[in-house]
Amino acid sequence: AQKVTQAQTEISVVEKEDVTLDCVYETRDTTYYLFWYKQPPSGELVFLIRRNSFDEQNEISGRYSWNFQKSTSSFNFTITASQVVDSAVYFCALSVPEGSQGNLIFGKGTKLSVKP
Amino acid sequence: SAVISQKPSRDICQRGTSLTIQCQVDSQVTMMFWYRQQPGQSLTLIATANQGSEATYESGFVIDKFPISRPNLTFSTLTVSNMSPEDSSIYLCSVQGRGAYGELFFGEGSRLTVL
Repeated sequence: AQKVTQAQTEISVVEKEDVTLDCVYETRDTTYYLFWYKQPPSGELVFLIRRNSFDEQNEISGRYSWNFQKSTSSFNFTITASQVVDSAVYFCALSVPEGSQGNLIFGKGTKLSVKP
Repeated sequence: SAVISQKPSRDICQRGTSLTIQCQVDSQVTMMFWYRQQPGQSLTLIATANQGSEATYESGFVIDKFPISRPNLTFSTLTVSNMSPEDSSIYLCSVQGRGAYGELFFGEGSRLTVL
């Protein structure tokens, strides 16, 4: 069975601090896809990144970076120099080809609060 | 990315009534997906809506409770039938990006409160 665990329920940081959101996934499939989404207070889910299981390269996009390590089944997300606008719930998700195409297995989310 | 509009954005409903949520996409898509997010919880796929065929429901969800229509390639509706307070959730419509197992793009959701 597939599963995504985001052990951190809530994190609170002060602006300009770096913060890492953890994501651990479980699947027996060798081909799978990992995602991160941001859900600000407005409620809309904003897509941040998609990574397939064959691409272990870390990625950086501005203040965001992702560390994918198959050896530990982790896909962690780091925000550098956090800002108040980063305050949101962040979801990690997993999909596998055997499942429905639109069936993402979401973690329970990590609520990030960035205080000025 | 697709632009997805949902109506209503929020509603307060009485127990036992039904409510239909509309989802409009700005481009033609083969599949549309309906998700539920219960308060403080994660997202769960309810069903996949295909144009011209019956929707495909995930385990734990049935057509009688969540009937879905998909009359064309840009529009879908989800009805929450015979509502109870347990149905209080955010219901989100989504479509897939390019390629199989691509990223999903979501609407802003419809926040339903059932009294």
